[in-house]
Amino acid sequence: GESVGLHLPTLSVQEGDNSIINCAYSNSASDYFIWYKQESGKGPQFIIDIRSNMDKRQGQRVTVLLNKTVKHLSLQIAATQPGDSAVYFCAENLLGSARQLTFGSGTQLTVLP
Amino acid sequence: DAGVTQSPTHLIKTRGQQVTLRCSPKSGHDTVSWYQQALGQGPQFIFQYYEEEERQRGNFPDRFSGHQFPNYSSELNVNALLLGDSALYLCASSLTRQAGEKLFFGSGTQLSVL
Repeated sequence: GESVGLHLPTLSVQEGDNSIINCAYSNSASDYFIWYKQESGKGPQFIIDIRSNMDKRQGQRVTVLLNKTVKHLSLQIAATQPGDSAVYFCAENLLGSARQLTFGSGTQLTVLP
Repeated sequence: DAGVTQSPTHLIKTRGQQVTLRCSPKSGHDTVSWYQQALGQGPQFIFQYYEEEERQRGNFPDRFSGHQFPNYSSELNVNALLLGDSALYLCASSLTRQAGEKLFFGSGTQLSVL
């Protein structure tokens, strides 16, 4: 969804379920994408990245999917845990542009007990 | 291995004042980027420093300036503060010329302009 002003899209999931967080990116020339997790009072923490020559990449409990046709990125978190509660941002970058990242508006993930 | 450190953690200023924020990059990193994060929004790129020079700049006015020192640490200066400058200021470091270089962020400086 879209964020307006201070309103962040939210996603609530039960502990143990899988989470899917979506992101639409803006620049069709972007060729590097990153997901960050930001907990309250902390800076963004790198989760996983993917280059535009791939459509899927897996990490530990996380998977990123890239659909360049519709400029869409998603983050899947398996077996969501309470420690996964945070704001998640996608970011895009042009390789060679010295990591000038453009961040999306973020999604607040809340894990319910 | 220390990560990215920023100081101070919190700061309160009044309109028209000037502020300096400081950042020490992660050990081994040579590039520092600064981002502004307004409440409820994603970070916005301000500028990046490499080899003591501003390498790239985002859409921010000249009131925002910076510096990088020979030890790779960096400062962000904001002059003539406006209420709208209230935000979390994030520093991120990376290693240029490393394939797949990743940005590591500090915890930020929370600036409040009254």
